[in-house]
Amino acid sequence: DIQMTQSPSTLSASVGDRVTITCRASQSISSWLAWYQQKPGKAPKLLIYRTSTLEIGVPSRFSGSASGTEFTLTISSLQPDDFATYYCQQYNSYLYTFGQGTKLEIK
Amino acid sequence: QLQLQESGPGLVKPSETLSLTCTVSGGSISSSSYHWGWIRQPPGKGLEWIGNIYYSGSTDYNTSLKSRVTISVDTSKNQFSLKLSSVTAADTAVYYCARHYSGGLSAYDYWGHGTLVTVSS
Repeated sequence: DIQMTQSPSTLSASVGDRVTITCRASQSISSWLAWYQQKPGKAPKLLIYRTSTLEIGVPSRFSGSASGTEFTLTISSLQPDDFATYYCQQYNSYLYTFGQGTKLEIK
Repeated sequence: QLQLQESGPGLVKPSETLSLTCTVSGGSISSSSYHWGWIRQPPGKGLEWIGNIYYSGSTDYNTSLKSRVTISVDTSKNQFSLKLSSVTAADTAVYYCARHYSGGLSAYDYWGHGTLVTVSS
C-alpha cells in the first residue's frame, strides 16, 4: 500500500503568514493527490485535487504543487478562517490513503 | 445540491457487526462518473480510508480492514452501506460517507456530516 507522510504535524503561524505543508508518497502517485481542510466537528472539505487544481469556491491563496513524490500545500497569506487541520490523500492506486494531518494553529 | 446522510446505530457491542447506511439525495448513485466511499476518524485522530464502491458494484477495501469490511449499494434506494464485523473499541470513530469523482476528475468532493459509532458493552 502507498504510505503518505505528512509534515509538520503541527504548525503555529500568524494571520498574514505564508505557510507550507508537505506530503511525501512512498512511491509514485503521478498527480493523484488531494488536499482537504477540516474544522472541529465538521466533515473534511476538498480544497485541491490532482495536485494543483482548486475546487470551485476555494480562495486563490491556496495552491498546490509537486516535485516527484513530494507534494506541497501553500497558503500564501493566512486568514483567520484558515486555522484548521489539513490532510492530503492519494488516489493513484485503488487503495486510497490519507496523510496523518497537519494542525494549523494561531501563534 | 447533492447531500449525503449517514445513518445507523450509535452504539455497537464488541464482537458484533457495525452497520451504517449512506443515503444520497440530489443526485443518482448509479452514475458512472462517481464512486462512493467510507472514511472514518477515531476521536482526536486522523482520517482513515475504509473503502470504495463503484457504479458497477465492484469494491476496494483498506488492506488492514479488508477481512472485516463489506460495502454494498442499493440503487433502488439511492443508498450504499457499510458493514464492519467483529468490532472492538478501536473501531470507535466518526464514520463519513463521501462521493469521489471517477477518473481523477476530482476527489472526495461531497461528504456526509458523519456519524459517531461507539463500540462498548
